[in-house]
Amino acid sequence: DGGITQSPKYLFRKEGQNVTLSCEQNLNHDAMYWYRQDPGQGLRLIYYSQIVNDFQKGDIAEGYSVSREKKESFPLTVTSAQKNPTAFYLCASSIDLTRDYGYTFGSGTRLTVV
Amino acid sequence: GESVGLHLPTLSVQEGDNSIINCAYSNSASDYFIWYKQESGKGPQFIIDIRSNMDKRQGQRVTVLLNKTVKHLSLQIAATQPGDSAVYFCAENMRSGAGSYQLTFGKGTKLSVIP
Repeated sequence: DGGITQSPKYLFRKEGQNVTLSCEQNLNHDAMYWYRQDPGQGLRLIYYSQIVNDFQKGDIAEGYSVSREKKESFPLTVTSAQKNPTAFYLCASSIDLTRDYGYTFGSGTRLTVV
Repeated sequence: GESVGLHLPTLSVQEGDNSIINCAYSNSASDYFIWYKQESGKGPQFIIDIRSNMDKRQGQRVTVLLNKTVKHLSLQIAATQPGDSAVYFCAENMRSGAGSYQLTFGKGTKLSVIP
């Protein structure tokens, strides 16, 4: 079955640590996205990538970094510069950015600062 | 700010009744709309979509209505079941100035089904 796999499901971070969230897709989609979801709020775009080795900042990119070395993978690093990282993080993919198709989402990673 | 919003943040319905979840959008250039369902602790799942050249589309127990005149979108769920309890998001796909499309999501409506 094709889909998006996010890992881990739960992640705990100490103050000052960087952590990396994994996102892998086998849908052969060109575009990938990272969203942050806080209680009572909608999905906010962190970063997105249209093709390998290219990515763009979204609305709340500060304190986050990404890479896109392979089409299938789009890991998100939450750096120590992100002052309030506790949230639910969602990865998504779509066929590409140039056509109006919907997104397929992963099951999410819940990050908690301890 | 967000161009997609929802009229009601929470909705409680009796099992077996029909549910209607509403959404307003502000960009008349949006040409593709999607409803997602998100269960607690999970990622959003695609329910149904509609393009701007249609005003109604039906799926299994779900219907999406699009009123372009007033820029309003609704999701109707027939014979609501306990498994329908979730947060429902509408999303609009807009073409940006750079020629790419991007989904903008509303904040969601929480649907609670009373057994």
